[in-house]
Amino acid sequence: DAGITQSPRHKVTETGTPVTLRCHQTENHRYMYWYRQDPGHGLRLIHYSYGVKDTDKGEVSDGYSVSRSKTEDFLLTLESATSSQTSVYFCAISERGDRGYDYGYTFGSGTRLTVV
Amino acid sequence: AQSVTQLGSHVSVSEGALVLLRCNYSSSVPPYLFWYVQYPNQGLQLLLKYTTGATLVKGINGFEAEFKKSETSFHLTKPSAHMSDAAEYFCAVSGYGSARQLTFGSGTQLTVLP
Repeated sequence: DAGITQSPRHKVTETGTPVTLRCHQTENHRYMYWYRQDPGHGLRLIHYSYGVKDTDKGEVSDGYSVSRSKTEDFLLTLESATSSQTSVYFCAISERGDRGYDYGYTFGSGTRLTVV
Repeated sequence: AQSVTQLGSHVSVSEGALVLLRCNYSSSVPPYLFWYVQYPNQGLQLLLKYTTGATLVKGINGFEAEFKKSETSFHLTKPSAHMSDAAEYFCAVSGYGSARQLTFGSGTQLTVLP
């Protein structure tokens, strides 16, 4: 989707190195999310943000940290990459209108990360 | 707490046949329910969603789903499968919460046979 981009699209890194993935949106949405996708597990939430500098943990947050210093950018950092973090990472954005109406999620195209 | 169970990790249908992908959910609050489709090497695209109101929801590409509270189900159907429907399909649920994060099922890979 044109309103959300992820970088890099592919990355190979070595065990023990830090890695940062970037999600950039042009929609000015309040909510941003990082998911990982693994076969047989669907998508699992890592961290999410509900505003600048407001973040919280998801289901599988161990070994990951996030930062959101601007509305448009949400960074995911693997502090010391491990082979179990080999996965496809998706960023998503959403907005909520009046009375809590949910406009749904828009997903980025994903980052395929391989830790060797 | 909420969860989603998709019955059948792989479903095969013949072109022109009915597509039925099953989804059951668990939620402690009235749920919002979603179906997403993922084509190879792409992100997820919203097919349809149920929030409130009519329980039969129509989505893109001829898909529809019916919210059945008594059965805690939200099955996805399409009357006639097309080759282009081959993809992975994910059911998801969100409840109330400050960020209303989605919980996904494990996905169903749909194969359409000629």
